Amino acid sequence: AQKVTQAQTEISVVEKEDVTLDCVYETRDTTYYLFWYKQPPSGELVFLIRRNSFDEQNEISGRYSWNFQKSTSSFNFTITASQVVDSAVYFCALSELGAGGTSYGKLTFGQGTILTVHP
Amino acid sequence: NAGVMQNPRHLVRRRGQEARLRCSPMKGHSHVYWYRQLPEEGLKFMVYLQKENIIDESGMPKERFSAEFPKEGPSILRIQQVVRGDSAAYFCASSPTGINQPQHFGDGTRLSIL
Repeated sequence: AQKVTQAQTEISVVEKEDVTLDCVYETRDTTYYLFWYKQPPSGELVFLIRRNSFDEQNEISGRYSWNFQKSTSSFNFTITASQVVDSAVYFCALSELGAGGTSYGKLTFGQGTILTVHP
Repeated sequence: NAGVMQNPRHLVRRRGQEARLRCSPMKGHSHVYWYRQLPEEGLKFMVYLQKENIIDESGMPKERFSAEFPKEGPSILRIQQVVRGDSAAYFCASSPTGINQPQHFGDGTRLSIL
C-alpha cells in the first residue's frame, strides 16, 4: 500500500531563512503522481504542485522549488527567503495509477509539517 | 469560475443527531472526493464519487456514514447518530476527470459534536 512520510512535524525559522520540507513516499507502482498542498491558518487547502513519476526535473516557481529524487523516493520542497505569510501546514500527497492502469486520483497524504516563520 | 463550495463552514451537533455536509464541485468537474482531517492529523481519504455512482468508499467507516452525488445538486456526506469522535474537518475535492488531475479543495466543514 502507498504511504507518505513527512518526518518533520514542526519547523520554526526566522524570516528570510531558507527552509526545506522533506517528503518520502512508498509505492509499488511505477506510475504515480506527487503533490504538495498548503493549509494556511484559515484552514483551506491550496494546491501548489503536481509531479508525475516520469518527470524528475526539478521545478522552481518564484521562491518555491521542488526536488524529486526517484532513487530515494523523495519529493522535497524548499522555500527560499521565507516570509511570515509562508506560515502554514504543508502536506505532501501521493496518487497511484492503480490496478488495470486506471486511476481515480485518490490521494494519500502525509501527516503534514507545521512551518512557522517568525518576523 | 467559482471554486469548490462546501457548506456549512461550521456545523455543531449533539451526540445522536445527524450531520449533513454539502459539496458543490467546480463547474465542469464530475468527480468528487471526500477527506476527513482529525485534529492534529493529515487528511484521510473517505470516498470517491462520480455522478450518481460511488466508485470507491474504502475509507468510509462501516456504519453511520454515507455519501451520494445525485444527478442534480451537490454531493452530500451524511453522518447519522454522531459521536464525539466524528469531530473533524471534512474536505471535499473535485476534479474534471479522475485521472490524476490536481484536486481542487473546498474550504472544508468543521464539525463539532457536543
